[in-house]
Amino acid sequence: AQTVTQSQPEMSVQEAETVTLSCTYDTSESNYYLFWYKQPPSRQMILVIRQEAYKQQNATENRFSVNFQKAAKSFSLKISDSQLGDTAMYFCAFMKRGGAQKLVFGQGTRLTINP
Amino acid sequence: GAVVSQHPSWVICKSGTSVKIECRSLDFQATTMFWYRQFPKQSLMLMATSNEGSKATYEQGVEKDKFLINHASLTLSTLTVTSAHPEDSSFYICSARRTELETQYFGPGTRLLVL
Repeated sequence: AQTVTQSQPEMSVQEAETVTLSCTYDTSESNYYLFWYKQPPSRQMILVIRQEAYKQQNATENRFSVNFQKAAKSFSLKISDSQLGDTAMYFCAFMKRGGAQKLVFGQGTRLTINP
Repeated sequence: GAVVSQHPSWVICKSGTSVKIECRSLDFQATTMFWYRQFPKQSLMLMATSNEGSKATYEQGVEKDKFLINHASLTLSTLTVTSAHPEDSSFYICSARRTELETQYFGPGTRLLVL
């Protein structure tokens, strides 16, 4: 079974700073996806970024980028020029390709951006 | 984008009654949808996988007779909480899988309070 671990329950940074959220996972699969979702106070889950395991290039979406280290089974999220609207719970998730395609979530990291 | 709606967003009901929650994919077809439950300050817990035109697959420990799932079309899945009790009070979230992206997009969630 796959597991996803987010070792930072809470983080807090000043607006405009850069912050990195950690995520490690355990799997014996070779073909999978990794995701970061954010859940702001509204509780709507929003897709932040998606990484295909067979792609070596790290995914980026505007101010959001990942550092995907497949051998180390690490998938960290970097948020540059952080904004107040980035305040949210961030969940790292694993999904095996094929089959039921269920998401396996980490415990989440609560990120607060301070003005 | 990929938009998923949920209705209602908030529901209060009396103990012993049934409540139906709808999940719709608005701009794409979804052969597979998922239902989650989220307790305060916790991660998402998968309840069941809803497949269009067939029976749902429930996770271990989830009572299929209590949480009835119907996926009658490619854009609609419903979750009915039957004979609701106060312990069923929770935040319920659905997601719809966009097949070509192999990615789940989430609805805004439904807060259920059983009195």
